[in-house]
Amino acid sequence: DTAVSQTPKYLVTQMGNDKSIKCEQNLGHDTMYWYKQDSKKFLKIMFSYNNKELIINETVPNRFSPKSPDKAHLNLHINSLELGDSAVYFCASSLHRGINEKLFFGSGTQLSVL
Amino acid sequence: ILNVEQSPQSLHVQEGDSTNFTCSFPSSNFYALHWYRWETAKSPEALFVMTLNGDEKKKGRISATLNTKEGYSYLYIKGSQPEDSATYLCASRMDSSYKLIFGSGTRLLVRP
Repeated sequence: DTAVSQTPKYLVTQMGNDKSIKCEQNLGHDTMYWYKQDSKKFLKIMFSYNNKELIINETVPNRFSPKSPDKAHLNLHINSLELGDSAVYFCASSLHRGINEKLFFGSGTQLSVL
Repeated sequence: ILNVEQSPQSLHVQEGDSTNFTCSFPSSNFYALHWYRWETAKSPEALFVMTLNGDEKKKGRISATLNTKEGYSYLYIKGSQPEDSATYLCASRMDSSYKLIFGSGTRLLVRP
């Protein structure tokens, strides 16, 4: 049983399209995150939700919009995709949002914008 | 700008060697330090979370120490095995905003 699952694993699309990446966790965690692995391989936080409430909203283009229908799901919708959006996107969750909470990561979605 | 830096960037060792790597972070406003192990084609997995100066954690042959006053953490692997080959990431929480700032990782290759 995969604890944090994200789909699709690979996404190849044309510039200008709108796409979504889905994330689900079956761990009963309250908090979920989206991270982007940048060109230098750093994992950079994009968004975080705690019990469906947005708690972290980093400086990302407003073409990126997270949606959390319930605390087990956090989807990432991207409008008007650009070449620079190509990256690996990781979903993660933690039991709570406290400083001691370790993250459980999904396996990543490799997005390629052509 | 809050930077978390890891060194070395990559490391090749022989099976049986012991090794260690460093994570440096700004020592002001420190909240927590995380270590993750990331095997190729898998997801990062948490190894340790440390919060107090002088903390030491151990998991099998892997251990970590924390110095919050000078802003560094060491990860040690005793008697490296080929299955230890992975990228080891550290990440720091620098404020109460729940954000983790990640380093770029140390890539370890253990030769049989």
